[in-house]
Amino acid sequence: DIQMTQSPSTLSASVGDRVTITCRASQSVSDWLAWYQQKPGKAPNLLIYKASTLESGVPSRFSGSGSGTEFTLTINSLQPDDFATYYCQQYNAYSATFGQGTKVEIK
Amino acid sequence: QVQLQESGPGLVKPSQTLSLTCTVSGASISSGGYYWSWIRQPAGKGLEWIGRIFTSGSTNYNPSLKSRVTISRDTSKNQFSLKLSSVTAADTAVYYCARYRAATSFDYWGQGTLVTVSS
Repeated sequence: DIQMTQSPSTLSASVGDRVTITCRASQSVSDWLAWYQQKPGKAPNLLIYKASTLESGVPSRFSGSGSGTEFTLTINSLQPDDFATYYCQQYNAYSATFGQGTKVEIK
Repeated sequence: QVQLQESGPGLVKPSQTLSLTCTVSGASISSGGYYWSWIRQPAGKGLEWIGRIFTSGSTNYNPSLKSRVTISRDTSKNQFSLKLSSVTAADTAVYYCARYRAATSFDYWGQGTLVTVSS
């Protein structure tokens, strides 16, 4: 099984900050990597797929990069609506695996 | 607008079988380019992919759950279903159904349904 590890687990930031979340895969997933935002009591919302492609309707302050085993999600100029938990997820022909999540908190 | 809605018992006894159905509107589960999945999330924890069913009817399951999981579909009702056998308290979670868009990922999700395993 492919394991996904995110860091940090929790991140404290202020409105306007630039934040970066890292996701590492236990083996290469090429660019088959997605990022989601989840708010309490809600289903996750797809932000980015194929490592760097922004899903339609997602603000451009969100960006993704990476390939192989190391990926990053960057949020430029953090907004009040961005305080949430973020998950990375790999997908291939056989399975899907999520990271353990990164909670972005208000500093 | 694509919508998914989970339904089923909110309480299941240990050792019994958990059964959930996802009703899809705004899209056909028979359409190519999409797979239909189940994902769960224990309270305060992360997301776990359970498995998916393809338009062909073939399935993939999480290896850690494979021996207990069956995903099936009813194309006439535009529904797909999850059965998880021999449940324990560790299977208590919010269960989501979701659409997987080929080469992208899970683009539409149901609102989730809490299933508690308890006697």
